[in-house]
Amino acid sequence: QQPVQSPQAVILREGEDAVINCSSSKALYSVHWYRQKHGEAPVFLMILLKGGEQKGHDKISASFNEKKQQSSLYLTASQLSYSGTYFCGTGRNTDKLIFGTGTRLQVFP
Amino acid sequence: DAGITQSPRHKVTETGTPVTLRCHQTENHRYMYWYRQDPGHGLRLIHYSYGVKDTDKGEVSDGYSVSRSKTEDFLLTLESATSSQTSVYFCAISEGLTGANVLTFGAGSRLTVL
Repeated sequence: QQPVQSPQAVILREGEDAVINCSSSKALYSVHWYRQKHGEAPVFLMILLKGGEQKGHDKISASFNEKKQQSSLYLTASQLSYSGTYFCGTGRNTDKLIFGTGTRLQVFP
Repeated sequence: DAGITQSPRHKVTETGTPVTLRCHQTENHRYMYWYRQDPGHGLRLIHYSYGVKDTDKGEVSDGYSVSRSKTEDFLLTLESATSSQTSVYFCAISEGLTGANVLTFGAGSRLTVL
């Protein structure tokens, strides 16, 4: 069962912040975040493991609430390069990831 | 660079014909995956493999079969292609010892079934 992402789309001006949410109806072992630019393959951003800490690099960070089976991706002071579709991937075990339907982010000057 | 190659990159075929997509990796990773991507559905797992001759179904496996006779190659076969299988297909490998590690995706194969 696919995790649910919200919102489905976000439009921002450069410098604005955004939050993308990912929720699952089942207990999770891990949550991954990927970004896909138009016409390209998805690229890994970060992974959060059960019992792990909030991760982040540069101005993109994420959290994982194990009890609620939810994860959020935080984009701070967005840049044009942040535009793309963001996918969360959830793992209930160590074998495979199930991805959400994606959140399209557009950043304008 | 995980060294993943998908072939063909583009294919147009007719309903009812068999189609095989190939994923080749150069670094002996244990886990390999086939996803399809469609508007409104995101990435959906078709099949995956956790070793030579070890495969399992994903979310949308009906109409697809896979084979892995060598560590480096993971084949996805549509026995009799249908228009609903028109999609972009991505192969991925897990760079760790389990499937819970970072996935690296191939460039994708765009399949059109007329």
